[in-house]
Amino acid sequence: GENVEQHPSTLSVQEGDSAVIKCTYSDSASNYFPWYKQELGKGPQLIIDIRSNVGEKKDQRIAVTLNKTAKHFSLHITETQPEDSAVYFCAVDDMRFGAGTRLTVKP
Amino acid sequence: GAVVSQHPSWVICKSGTSVKIECRSLDFQATTMFWYRQFPKQSLMLMATSNEGSKATYEQGVEKDKFLINHASLTLSTLTVTSAHPEDSSFYICSALAVRGQFFGPGTRLTVL
Repeated sequence: GENVEQHPSTLSVQEGDSAVIKCTYSDSASNYFPWYKQELGKGPQLIIDIRSNVGEKKDQRIAVTLNKTAKHFSLHITETQPEDSAVYFCAVDDMRFGAGTRLTVKP
Repeated sequence: GAVVSQHPSWVICKSGTSVKIECRSLDFQATTMFWYRQFPKQSLMLMATSNEGSKATYEQGVEKDKFLINHASLTLSTLTVTSAHPEDSSFYICSALAVRGQFFGPGTRLTVL
């Protein structure tokens, strides 16, 4: 089955800095790569996604890049704010999740 | 749009009892819903895929007789944890597949005493 690895497991940044989270996957046939944000005690929320025919997608402070050849994709958050603090999960084809990254943005 | 609700948000039950969790897509129809389990500080583990009008597809290692799934309509899927035991205590999350992607419910925290 699909193997999804996510790094780092924890990330602490200063407010205003950028944060980057990376995921790698094993199945070259995978086509859909969403990122979810989960706050404590809540369900995950889709924040951005990308499909295999696109290399980069941006939505305000959030961007996702995809390298299909290398089978990895990354979440980029710029100008981080304390409310960005949460656990972020990558997923592949909607059903296989990475282990999660706990992002802490220090004011 | 694409709102998914879960009920109850939390439940505490005695060992041996059964608990039903409901997952509803509020503003869209979902032929496919998913059920996940999440332990503290861990990722989501897919338990089963629920398809409207047909039997659910369970992931390897998930007991279908223990975790009963019913997807009777395009907006409702239920997960029943039968004869619950303390090791079933977890955060259960459903999601519904919409055209725009997968949308998650807020989760149900189950505690079995």
